[in-house]
Amino acid sequence: DGGITQSPKYLFRKEGQNVTLSCEQNLNHDAMYWYRQDPGQGLRLIYYSQIVNDFQKGDIAEGYSVSREKKESFPLTVTSAQKNPTAFYLCASSEQLTYEQYFGPGTRLTVT
Amino acid sequence: AQKVTQAQTEISVVEKEDVTLDCVYETRDTTYYLFWYKQPPSGELVFLIRRNSFDEQNEISGRYSWNFQKSTSSFNFTITASQVVDSAVYFCALSGGGYQKVTFGTGTKLQVIP
Repeated sequence: DGGITQSPKYLFRKEGQNVTLSCEQNLNHDAMYWYRQDPGQGLRLIYYSQIVNDFQKGDIAEGYSVSREKKESFPLTVTSAQKNPTAFYLCASSEQLTYEQYFGPGTRLTVT
Repeated sequence: AQKVTQAQTEISVVEKEDVTLDCVYETRDTTYYLFWYKQPPSGELVFLIRRNSFDEQNEISGRYSWNFQKSTSSFNFTITASQVVDSAVYFCALSGGGYQKVTFGTGTKLQVIP
């Protein structure tokens, strides 16, 4: 089945530690995205990538980093510099930026 | 700059009622794309529809219908004969032409009461 895989579903970390969230897609999509969603809130774009080896900051990139070494993979690292990392993180992909996005099941990160 | 406004934060309806979710957008682009997504309690967003700015035809898909009006910059979503499974958060989104990233609205939480 084609789709987006995010792992793990739940992640717990201690404050001060970096953590990397996985996102893999087998849809052969060029564009990939990372969003953050806080309780009762909408989606906020963290980073996006239009092609391999290229990515742009979204609206809330501070404290996060990404890489796009392979077309199918777009991992997100939440660094210790991110002040409030506890949130629900969603990964998505699309053929191009103006096309519909397909989302993964999300990773719920809790930092204590 | 792009903007999407979903003024309805939460809506509750009784099963079988019709309900309309409002979406108003702002963009300076002449070519743009509008989307609706559904986020059920599980959390994973599901794509519902994509509409480009040159196609103002209304669309119907089963119990779902969409009304796109450029004159009022609106792209409203109607669910006919609502069901409990329609309970979710619905997001409207906008993507301008020229490789602009998508802007999401804040979402409307729909609760369908049996």
